[in-house]
Amino acid sequence: GDSVTQMEGPVTLSEEAFLTINCTYTATGYPSLFWYVQYPGEGLQLLLKATKADDKGSNKGFEATYRKETTSFHLEKGSVQVSDSAVYFCVAGGSNYKLTFGKGTLLTVNP
Amino acid sequence: DVKVTQSSRYLVKRTGEKVFLECVQDMDHENMFWYRQDPGLGLRLIYFSYDVKMKEKGDIPEGYSVSREKKERFSLILESASTNQTSMYLCASNGRGPTGELFFGEGSRLTVL
Repeated sequence: GDSVTQMEGPVTLSEEAFLTINCTYTATGYPSLFWYVQYPGEGLQLLLKATKADDKGSNKGFEATYRKETTSFHLEKGSVQVSDSAVYFCVAGGSNYKLTFGKGTLLTVNP
Repeated sequence: DVKVTQSSRYLVKRTGEKVFLECVQDMDHENMFWYRQDPGLGLRLIYFSYDVKMKEKGDIPEGYSVSREKKERFSLILESASTNQTSMYLCASNGRGPTGELFFGEGSRLTVL
């Protein structure tokens, strides 16, 4: 079946540092790819998505590019803020019923 | 503002009790889901429903059942709660069409003593 492997955390950075959270997937066909974010005490919300190869999703300064050749969808941000502290989930979707979640990466940003 | 609302943020129940977790969405979505979230395990799908009165087992359905009598409401039922069902439960919904965004509720943290 489909699987998603993302960088294990926790990740701790200082404010304004560069962030990369690695994500690779295995799937039949070409799934849609998502990053979801969960802020403390809240449910998950969509951060960005890409639906086909070479698409770049972006939102709130975060970016991720759908790389078919390496089956990857790494999340990046050039300068993190304290408010970015959250759990980040990489998700692959073959259909609306079948979304495969990575285990999540806890990011803590210190002032 | 579109919303998925879970009825209880925090519950404490005793072993053997019957537990109902309710979820309501106001987006007219066809699909609704129940996940549980545990540290180190991420999100695991318990059940989903693609239409009223329709349900499908997810990856970990044992010990759970669901009910969808109306399009906007999806209930998760623990017939006889056990301590290993202590967890965060997340409800989500989405519509038909190409794989799209899942909308999540804020979660229900259940503790079974």
